[in-house]
Amino acid sequence: DTGVSQNPRHKITKRGQNVTFRCDPISEHNRLYWYRQTLGQGPEFLTYFQNEAQLEKSRLLSDRFSAERPKGSFSTLEIQRTEQGDSAMYLCASSLDQGYNSPLHFGNGTRLTVT
Amino acid sequence: AQSVAQPEDQVNVAEGNPLTVKCTYSVSGNPYLFWYVQYPNRGLQFLLKYITGDNLVKGSYGFEAEFNKSQTSFHLKKPSALVSDSALYFCAVRDRADDYKLSFGAGTTVTVRA
Repeated sequence: DTGVSQNPRHKITKRGQNVTFRCDPISEHNRLYWYRQTLGQGPEFLTYFQNEAQLEKSRLLSDRFSAERPKGSFSTLEIQRTEQGDSAMYLCASSLDQGYNSPLHFGNGTRLTVT
Repeated sequence: AQSVAQPEDQVNVAEGNPLTVKCTYSVSGNPYLFWYVQYPNRGLQFLLKYITGDNLVKGSYGFEAEFNKSQTSFHLKKPSALVSDSALYFCAVRDRADDYKLSFGAGTTVTVRA
């Protein structure tokens, strides 16, 4: 069973640098989500794709954040001009297009540390 | 708006004893409810869900959860806890009006001592 794959697992960067994360969802899943998790908190919704279309963005997603899902397959999340407050675990999840009934399948996340 | 509350940051039980992790929710319509477990440095793993029907739902690894509409609760239970159940547990809710968005609680750390 090929699950959701995220790369890299860890990223350490200096404040002001740009970073990009990649997510490969389960192949037959057409919904893809990005969440952010900080220590002691549950995951917070960032954005969501249905195939290649980005259908919703949270207010947490500032202009420095951009996500893409070209051709409805893998997705990338880019953070420009990183800040220390961006340090978190970034989780990707995918699901089947069954709306409310579909559980999300999560990857192991990318842990970002901004120094 | 939808939200989830997990009133206990930590739950400690002895192996073999019953385990309960509490969750209450708030949604504008009918809820879809989920439980996930997270092990250190890993993503979240789906345990079980309530969509409709029986209030008691069964999931993976011997876990079950009871939906109580009047108390707006969805507590996770396991009759006999194992040391390997020690992990971080998250309750999540999805409002039928917003089928894409899953909102999570802050999580409850479960420690099962041998």
